[in-house]
Amino acid sequence: AQSVTQLGSHVSVSEGALVLLRCNYSSSVPPYLFWYVQYPNQGLQLLLKYTSAATLVKGINGFEAEFKKSETSFHLTKPSAHMSDAAEYFCAVSGEGGGSEKLVFGKGMKLTVNP
Amino acid sequence: NAGVTQTPKFRILKIGQSMTLQCTQDMNHNYMYWYRQDPGMGLKLIYYSVGAGITDKGEVPNGYNVSRSTTEDFPLRLELAAPSQTSVYFCASSPSRTAQETQYFGPGTRLLVL
Repeated sequence: AQSVTQLGSHVSVSEGALVLLRCNYSSSVPPYLFWYVQYPNQGLQLLLKYTSAATLVKGINGFEAEFKKSETSFHLTKPSAHMSDAAEYFCAVSGEGGGSEKLVFGKGMKLTVNP
Repeated sequence: NAGVTQTPKFRILKIGQSMTLQCTQDMNHNYMYWYRQDPGMGLKLIYYSVGAGITDKGEVPNGYNVSRSTTEDFPLRLELAAPSQTSVYFCASSPSRTAQETQYFGPGTRLLVL
């Protein structure tokens, strides 16, 4: 079985500051890891995903995440926050050999960017 | 290419009423999903479908029904609305069923049951 932990529900940063959103996972099989973003009043869209190739994954809008097996983590970062990054971010995990219907989402993290 | 579309965007229901949430995708994806999103709880899978005529339960199916008569459409039915079904409902689709596949989401339907 898989699970995801996103500690806290809200993070606030200043424009231009580093964005760091934490995600820790639990999986009994090799995991696939995803970050989805939800802008206000919209559906979720994929930011990036880890599928067992490179451990450092680059996504859209300058975001990246690093898979660290030893720490069971897949934290999302962006060097310099922009006002347009204000959204809710969901980490999700699925397991090798499972189906797409087994995707498990974290509770989400709302990012506020202050001018 | 509209992707995944959902109607209505917002609906208020009285307890005991029924309604159908519509979902259509134009990407020719065989796999489709219904999720509900509650504040601070992430997304929970209600039902999914692997193709026309084939559906299966997800994590939270009670109080809902689905059908899949075409590849494009995957409606979600609420028969006897209850306040616990107040939520935001998202439909999604994917081109394959592999665990590493990306899911494509619609804009959501916000439902309030009073």
